[in-house]
Amino acid sequence: AQSVTQPDARVTVSEGASLQLRCKYSYSATPYLFWYVQYPRQGLQMLLKYYSGDPVVQGVNGFEAEFSKSDSSFHLRKASVHWSDSAVYFCAVSASAGNKLTFGIGTRVLVRP
Amino acid sequence: EAAVTQSPRNKVAVTGGKVTLSCNQTNNHNNMYWYRQDTGHGLRLIHYSYGAGSTEKGDIPDGYKASRPSQENFSLILELATPSQTSVYFCASGDAGGNYAEQFFGPGTRLTVL
Repeated sequence: AQSVTQPDARVTVSEGASLQLRCKYSYSATPYLFWYVQYPRQGLQMLLKYYSGDPVVQGVNGFEAEFSKSDSSFHLRKASVHWSDSAVYFCAVSASAGNKLTFGIGTRVLVRP
Repeated sequence: EAAVTQSPRNKVAVTGGKVTLSCNQTNNHNNMYWYRQDTGHGLRLIHYSYGAGSTEKGDIPDGYKASRPSQENFSLILELATPSQTSVYFCASGDAGGNYAEQFFGPGTRLTVL
């Protein structure tokens, strides 16, 4: 069975600083990997996704993530955060296209002005 | 634009009562999913469906039933609600094939069972 670990429950950063959110997955084959964001009182929206190809994938709003097979990781990064990036970020894994997603517990990000 | 709607948005129920949460999608996706979100657990899959007439058990199906009467609609049913089912419930739709299993989420239903 697949699983996802997000080791940081909360992260606080200053506006303009860089951000990295960690995600490690457990799955025997190459998984489909996702980052989703949840803004206050809203549903989840996909930021980016990866299955194959260039291990660095670009997403919306300046986010990018890097896949590492050797490390079983899919960390999310942003070079310069804005106050509007305050949200909960979820890493998720799926065994195949159309299959169910397994989510991590999420990382709550607070951007200080 | 993908569209998944849920009703009601907020619900207060009594222990032992029946609760039905509804979800509608206009994406023409085959797959639909019900999750619950709890602090410390992230989102956990309750039931899902591959198309009209089908339902499958997810990771935490106990105490829940699901119904998929049409491509567009997917309901989650709590026959005998309990306080432990107090949570925020999200519906999602997605399709197999070229979109890497991307799922589109509704805005959520906050359920409180007293």
